[in-house]
Amino acid sequence: RKEVEQDPGPFNVPEGATVAFNCTYSNSASQSFFWYRQDCRKEPKLLMSVYSSGNEDGRFTAQLNRASQYISLLIRDSKLSDSATYLCVVSGGYQKVTFGIGTKLQVIP
Amino acid sequence: EPEVTQTPSHQVTQMGQEVILRCVPISNHLYFYWYRQILGQKVEFLVSFYNNEISEKSEIFDDQFSVERPDGSNFTLKIRSTKLEDSAMYFCASSVPAGGPDTQYFGPGTRLTVL
Repeated sequence: RKEVEQDPGPFNVPEGATVAFNCTYSNSASQSFFWYRQDCRKEPKLLMSVYSSGNEDGRFTAQLNRASQYISLLIRDSKLSDSATYLCVVSGGYQKVTFGIGTKLQVIP
Repeated sequence: EPEVTQTPSHQVTQMGQEVILRCVPISNHLYFYWYRQILGQKVEFLVSFYNNEISEKSEIFDDQFSVERPDGSNFTLKIRSTKLEDSAMYFCASSVPAGGPDTQYFGPGTRLTVL
C-alpha cells in the first residue's frame, strides 16, 4: 500500500460545482495532515491544515478520519482559479513529510 | 510576508559535474528541508535539517548528496557527480517558528537539467 494515496484525476467540473477529493494514508502514527495546492511547474502552497474536528476556510472544508486513515477536501462553488493539482500531505512530526501524487482539478467555464 | 527564496531558478549542467543549489529559509524558522519533483511525478522528501545537522533523510539522499548551512541564512544542497536522472525540480522548505506549527513553506524551486 502506498504511504499516501490519491486519485490523480483529472477531475473536470463546471464553474460553481462542488467537488470532493479523498486521500488515504498508511502510517497510523502520522501526526499532521495538510492539503497543498500546486500550480503547473510551481511550488506547493499550503491550502489548509487538517484537524480531526474538521476545519473550514471559505469555500474549502477539510476532514480527517483517523480511524479510517482518510482525509478529504471539499471545494464548494468552484472557480476557474481553483484549477490546480491538490496535494495530500502527511507528516510524522517536524521531519519527514510524505506527499501524495496529487489530484488534478480542471474547472471549466 | 516572509518567504523562502531559492537560487538559481534554473541550472543546466553536464553529467558528472557538481552543482550547488541555494536556499534562504524564512528567518525565524528552525527546520529546513529539501525535496525533489521529477517532471510528472510526486514531490519526494530528500532531507530535513535541524540544529545544524541532518535530522532525517530518505533513501534517495545517498552519498552523492550533502547539505550545509554555511552561515546564518543560507541552506545549500550539493549534488556531486550529477546523473541524468537527477534532472528535476528541487524545492527547499522551512518550518517551525519557535513554538509554532509544523507547517512547511516552500520556495519557488530550482529546475535542474542534467545533459
